[in-house]
Amino acid sequence: KQEVTQIPAALSVPEGENLVLNCSFTDSAIYNLQWFRQDPGKGLTSLLLIQSSQREQTSGRLNASLDKSSGRSTLYIAASQPGDSATYLCAVRPLLRYSTLTFGKGTMLLVSP
Amino acid sequence: GAVVSQHPSRVICKSGTSVKIECRSLDFQATTMFWYRQFPKQSLMLMATSNEGSKATYEQGVEKDKFLINHASLTLSTLTVTSAHPEDSSFYICSARQGLAGGADTQYFGPGTRLTVL
Repeated sequence: KQEVTQIPAALSVPEGENLVLNCSFTDSAIYNLQWFRQDPGKGLTSLLLIQSSQREQTSGRLNASLDKSSGRSTLYIAASQPGDSATYLCAVRPLLRYSTLTFGKGTMLLVSP
Repeated sequence: GAVVSQHPSRVICKSGTSVKIECRSLDFQATTMFWYRQFPKQSLMLMATSNEGSKATYEQGVEKDKFLINHASLTLSTLTVTSAHPEDSSFYICSARQGLAGGADTQYFGPGTRLTVL
């Protein structure tokens, strides 16, 4: 059974810092990996999706990497802003065609002004 | 991007009543829809998967008679929590997948429904 772990569980940084969120998964047979953002009491916003054949994806200040063989992904946030404060979830999709995502518990990020 | 809506966004009900939550894909046809629940400070846990026109597949430990799922069309799925109890209070999130060829289909998530059972 696939298990997804995110470290750290919570992170507090001052505005402007670069930071890295970590995600690891136990079964490397994945179709893709996705990073989401969730604001309190809200649904999920997809940030980046990395196909299993890719090594990284970038969107603005966000960069996600994937090392499938070692079961790891990182989300790099450059020049953090207070508006980045949210919970960041990592999810993997298995190879099975109609299967759904397995989520980690998330990293709660607080960026202080 | 594709949009998934949920209604209602928040519901408070008395113990023993039934609550229906709607999930709609607004600008695409969803061959598959998923229902998740999320407890405070926990991750999303899959409850069931439904394909249009067929019965939902429930995850282990999820009572199908308590959580009724109807995927009536390619744009609508409903989750009915029957005879709700306080322990059913949670954040319910639906997700829809378009089912494009080659597996290049992203899951889109609704905004969630906060259910509070008194």
